[in-house]
Amino acid sequence: GAGVSQSPRYKVAKRGQDVALRCDPISGHVSLFWYQQALGQGPEFLTYFQNEAQLDKSGLPSDRFFAERPEGSVSTLKIQRTQQEDSAVYLCASSPGTGVHEQYFGPGTRLTVT
Amino acid sequence: AQSVAQPEDQVNVAEGNPLTVKCTYSVSGNPYLFWYVQYPNRGLQFLLKYITGDNLVKGSYGFEAEFNKSQTSFHLKKPSALVSDSALYFCAVRDFRGRGNYQLIWGAGTKLIIKP
Repeated sequence: GAGVSQSPRYKVAKRGQDVALRCDPISGHVSLFWYQQALGQGPEFLTYFQNEAQLDKSGLPSDRFFAERPEGSVSTLKIQRTQQEDSAVYLCASSPGTGVHEQYFGPGTRLTVT
Repeated sequence: AQSVAQPEDQVNVAEGNPLTVKCTYSVSGNPYLFWYVQYPNRGLQFLLKYITGDNLVKGSYGFEAEFNKSQTSFHLKKPSALVSDSALYFCAVRDFRGRGNYQLIWGAGTKLIIKP
């Protein structure tokens, strides 16, 4: 079956531009996570959705980062006024429940800010 | 504060030999522990998890991990390495402090190289 998909796979933005990254989770998955992964490091938690509710956004690094999941399915991570330090791979993951389930990851979006 | 340490950036093992990838953690409550693998140009894939119960957990592709509470460790092991096991391995922990904590804290990853 279809896994988690993310688009675009690669994005180059000029400093100051706004970007929007899309995540399509596995159908029916309740939980959705966004992570930021810098080169040579492990993922860092950004935010968590349970259906359409954003229950934890404590990992968002600044108020330039905004995420939504309005219908409890597709999610969008938006970064306003991009900075060079925003360059990273952004990972989306979904899981079927709200308990301690394994997460299914998408391939990521590599964002490069020039 | 929660943290995960993977002390080895890289582990080299000859094909057919046993392998161990180390992970230690620090949490304030009871840990939920995970191992994931990342192949080049592919997403992270779940290998195994420890929630409760037996300290030895078996997972995908012949991997297993042993939870050691006194040493706060969760090392990944495989009795006989394959060249195809070469990849980047991540350990992660979730601190179970009841409702409201959903974050996974990740280690920096260990590159496993299996030589023929």
